[in-house]
Amino acid sequence: GAVVSQHPSWVICKSGTSVKIECRSLDFQATTMFWYRQFPKQSLMLMATSNEGSKATYEQGVEKDKFLINHASLTLSTLTVTSAHPEDSSFYICSARDAGGVEQYFGPGTRLTVT
Amino acid sequence: AQSVAQPEDQVNVAEGNPLTVKCTYSVSGNPYLFWYVQYPNRGLQFLLKYITGDNLVKGSYGFEAEFNKSQTSFHLKKPSALVSDSALYFCAVRGGNYGQNFVFGPGTRLSVLP
Repeated sequence: GAVVSQHPSWVICKSGTSVKIECRSLDFQATTMFWYRQFPKQSLMLMATSNEGSKATYEQGVEKDKFLINHASLTLSTLTVTSAHPEDSSFYICSARDAGGVEQYFGPGTRLTVT
Repeated sequence: AQSVAQPEDQVNVAEGNPLTVKCTYSVSGNPYLFWYVQYPNRGLQFLLKYITGDNLVKGSYGFEAEFNKSQTSFHLKKPSALVSDSALYFCAVRGGNYGQNFVFGPGTRLSVLP
């Protein structure tokens, strides 16, 4: 089946620094990638959708200047949390979909802790 | 607008007993329905999906779900629960129209008691 990887699986950074999370589709071309945020014991909240080669579409309330998303190739999307603050600490999950596909394939998630 | 409801925050069941985790949805067009399971600090694991065809869908780890169009439901079931089934379960729906995205339910925590 389709596999999506994320790197790193967990990261700790200091307040004010930036951190980049990578999401890769390993065995298919991901024309669309999605970034979700999950707070403890809560559901997934869609942050943004990106199509390869295009600017990401952000959900209402998500700061696009803080959460930079790049989808430069059909197998890689990155999420950069800029000037991180403790309230950005969360579990970030990406998913990917191929062209015309119905399903989304989910990565294992990245735990971000900002101290 | 698309929406998913999982009316129970928590479901407790004794090991060996049947389990049901409920899901109802609202979507325009034909629904694509999914169940995922999440263990602590892990990503989502796919359990099963309904796209079209037989209303009873069988998935991973002995789980199954039945699509009921009239009740707009897609309840997850397993005939005999295991302690290792204890986890967080998410129902998700996608409308059948091109380009629609997943909408997740709030999740149901399943505890299987030994």
